[in-house]
Amino acid sequence: DIVMTQSPDSLAVSLGERATINCKSSQSVLYTSNNKNYLAWYQQKPGQPPKLLISWASSRESGVPGRFSGSGSGTDFTLTISSLQAEDVAVYYCQQYYSPPYTFGQGTKLEIK
Amino acid sequence: QVHLVESGGGVVQPGKSLRLSCVASGFTFRSYPMHWVRQAPGKGLEWVAVISYDGSHQFYADSVKGRFTISRDNSNNALYLQMNNLRPEDTGVFYCARAGDAEGTSNWFDPWGQGTLVTVSS
Repeated sequence: DIVMTQSPDSLAVSLGERATINCKSSQSVLYTSNNKNYLAWYQQKPGQPPKLLISWASSRESGVPGRFSGSGSGTDFTLTISSLQAEDVAVYYCQQYYSPPYTFGQGTKLEIK
Repeated sequence: QVHLVESGGGVVQPGKSLRLSCVASGFTFRSYPMHWVRQAPGKGLEWVAVISYDGSHQFYADSVKGRFTISRDNSNNALYLQMNNLRPEDTGVFYCARAGDAEGTSNWFDPWGQGTLVTVSS
């Protein structure tokens, strides 16, 4: 199984500042035949189901604000929120879909400082 | 608008069974693989199972293999999860979710239903 490890477990950032969440996979999730990273990011607010933010490591979903961006390749990935807004308080998860079982990171709780 | 609605959760004793349902609308259900994902109270997300668009293939997490069965009824846009021999550690919210694309090569989860709570306790 591919193990996904996020860091940090929790993060407090001031409004308007940058937030960075890291995700590391125990093996590469880059499929060399199509040069795509099989990595997604989700946002989960209290009492709600997760919401897909980014697929293919860096492809932002329609309707997701431009302050959210994903980067990385192979085994190391980053979710960046360029200017934190109050509505971004949530738990963020990475997920690999390279091979089943489709594993998630443990989550990173993002709060306002 | 794509919509997924789960039902069937509740309180059940260890060793008993429960069947979850998920009804889909707003997209061509028969074209997409479908997943179940669960979340224990206050914990993270755990993928449970996937079924191919036509129901011919299923994959399970090791933690549920041999106890849970995923199935679908494309004529009624419905997804199911039959859960047998339930354990206290199966307690949590169970979400159904659509795969990222109809080809089954993009197994991210979007959208998700609101979830149904399963509590396994004596």
